[in-house]
Amino acid sequence: GAVVSQHPSWVICKSGTSVKIECRSLDFQATTMFWYRQFPKQSLMLMATSNEGSKATYEQGVEKDKFLINHASLTLSTLTVTSAHPEDSSFYICSAEGGQETQYFGPGTRLLVL
Amino acid sequence: AQKITQTQPGMFVQEKEAVTLDCTYDTSDPSYGLFWYKQPSSGEMIFLIYQGSYDQQNATEGRYSLNFQKARKSANLVISASQLGDSAMYFCAMRVYQAGTALIFGKGTTLSVSS
Repeated sequence: GAVVSQHPSWVICKSGTSVKIECRSLDFQATTMFWYRQFPKQSLMLMATSNEGSKATYEQGVEKDKFLINHASLTLSTLTVTSAHPEDSSFYICSAEGGQETQYFGPGTRLLVL
Repeated sequence: AQKITQTQPGMFVQEKEAVTLDCTYDTSDPSYGLFWYKQPSSGEMIFLIYQGSYDQQNATEGRYSLNFQKARKSANLVISASQLGDSAMYFCAMRVYQAGTALIFGKGTTLSVSS
């Protein structure tokens, strides 16, 4: 089946630093990738839709300058949390559109901002 | 507006028994897809099963089957012969093709399987 990887799997950083999370589709090409955020015991909240070669589409309430998304190739999308603060601590998970209209998810990245 | 509703915060079942996880959806678009994902404590989202709005038959994948009742706008997941490893959070999701490609998720149901 389709495999999506994320790196890093977890990260701890100091407040004010920037953190980059990579999402890769390993065995298929994905023109569209999605970034979600999930708080403990809650559902996934779509942050943005990442399209290869164009600007990302952000959901209402998501700060574009805070969460920078780059989709430079058909297999890689990156999410950069700029000037991270403790309230940005969360589980970030990406997905890539595969065959049969299915989205395949990465394993997620746990971010803790101290 | 599109919406997914999962009304069961938690479900408990014994090994080898079958369990049904409820999901209702709301959309006025005729073309949509319904998905179920499993999320164990590790956090990964595991795709289980897919049902298209035009599919005539209910989807099945091994021990998973989707009870699709279009008129009632329900897409319940049935897990037969539960196993301890089935304990996880389960999310129902919908994708409306005319509106875009993103998935809309329900709040999830935590399934606990006991021996």
